[in-house]
Amino acid sequence: QQPVQSPQAVILREGEDAVINCSSSKALYSVHWYRQKHGEAPVFLMILLKGGEQKGHEKISASFNEKKQQSSLYLTASQLSYSGTYFCGTGLRTDKLIFGTGTRLQVFP
Amino acid sequence: ETGVTQTPRHLVMGMTNKKSLKCEQHLGHNAMYWYKQSAKKPLELMFVYNFKEQTENNSVPSRFSPECPNSSHLFLHLHTLQPEDSALYLCASSQGLSGSSYNEQFFGPGTRLTVL
Repeated sequence: QQPVQSPQAVILREGEDAVINCSSSKALYSVHWYRQKHGEAPVFLMILLKGGEQKGHEKISASFNEKKQQSSLYLTASQLSYSGTYFCGTGLRTDKLIFGTGTRLQVFP
Repeated sequence: ETGVTQTPRHLVMGMTNKKSLKCEQHLGHNAMYWYKQSAKKPLELMFVYNFKEQTENNSVPSRFSPECPNSSHLFLHLHTLQPEDSALYLCASSQGLSGSSYNEQFFGPGTRLTVL
């Protein structure tokens, strides 16, 4: 039931790109993405809804493949501020969010 | 104050103590949530409230007792906890129906709880 995120950790240099994946074993209504910096609260990045609607950051892009029950978060031209742990949260139509184990991203100068 | 606030930020308690965590949201939302975040584990939903009514109890042990006196305040009362309950407890709020996966959740900074 818990979504699986991959990779578990990513190390980048500034300017490099990264993709974080989130897979579910159940049909999804929505996928949420959040970023949590060490010692801070998770911060909302994006929601992707079944049918193609999206809400969120202008500088963050993501995709949602409903048939494969997968979502990917694309981080391009990474900055130091992108460092943190990224969580996907999968939502069934009328149910709660179930969060993945997280992907730890570190960006170095 | 803006956003979602939580007090205290850190709490150390013995297994026989009784303590309470407080959460307040200043966003005009009607849904509030308690999550538990343990090391190397995903965020675990504990309770959901919508317009002061509890709509979700995710099989949480009775030593955790939530209270929601109004849409802006949420408490988590703790008693006879176990060391494995040590974790970061996060409060969140959102607009719209509780449990809805349509609206983003806004998180507080959390309370770091240590049970001795």
